[in-house]
Amino acid sequence: DAGVIQSPRHEVTEMGQEVTLRCKPISGHDYLFWYRQTMMRGLELLIYFNNNVPIDDSGMPEDRFSAKMPNASFSTLKIQPSEPRDSAVYFCASGISSGANVLTFGAGSRLTVL
Amino acid sequence: AQKITQTQPGMFVQEKEAVTLDCTYDTSDPSYGLFWYKQPSSGEMIFLIYQGSYDQQNATEGRYSLNFQKARKSANLVISASQLGDSAMYFCAMREGLTGGGNKLTFGTGTQLKVEL
Repeated sequence: DAGVIQSPRHEVTEMGQEVTLRCKPISGHDYLFWYRQTMMRGLELLIYFNNNVPIDDSGMPEDRFSAKMPNASFSTLKIQPSEPRDSAVYFCASGISSGANVLTFGAGSRLTVL
Repeated sequence: AQKITQTQPGMFVQEKEAVTLDCTYDTSDPSYGLFWYKQPSSGEMIFLIYQGSYDQQNATEGRYSLNFQKARKSANLVISASQLGDSAMYFCAMREGLTGGGNKLTFGTGTQLKVEL
């Protein structure tokens, strides 16, 4: 299994631009999570899906952020318009609702907004 | 209130020695899971070990063991025979509730471990 695939790995953009981060979860996993990591705030849960349905988006910072999961093998996190304070590493993780429910993380997308 | 507390921002250990990374947690739910992840400088998050709240024995995975003290609400990670490759940030995390209720993890602030020769 290829694991959780995220793209792009690095993104540098200018303030005001739209940013789209992509994630392909592990096949068969029914949970998908988006986390953001910054020095100041650590690892924060933004949103998570179960069977492609958003369950909890209380961590989404504001309306500029949106996430979708159109099918079991793909999710996007969009920021529009982007701001410098959005600079962070964004992780996607997937898990399965059985056993220990260990989350497998992708390699992360490092976003820099100038 | 913090759900997961890691009080050691940084730790040093000599190669081949054992080291304990502290983690305390706060929950009123009797069903929960505790996890440790490793984040090397390359940035990926690597799962190390899991302990369920009803597990009777401490979890072990190779050189990693979890010292689970339920009454004290602590879940310390013990790394035996430290290696240079163990130098990384270590995160403790908790999932509250039964598995069917969603398995979102709440993370601590992490402990930066440096293994020295």
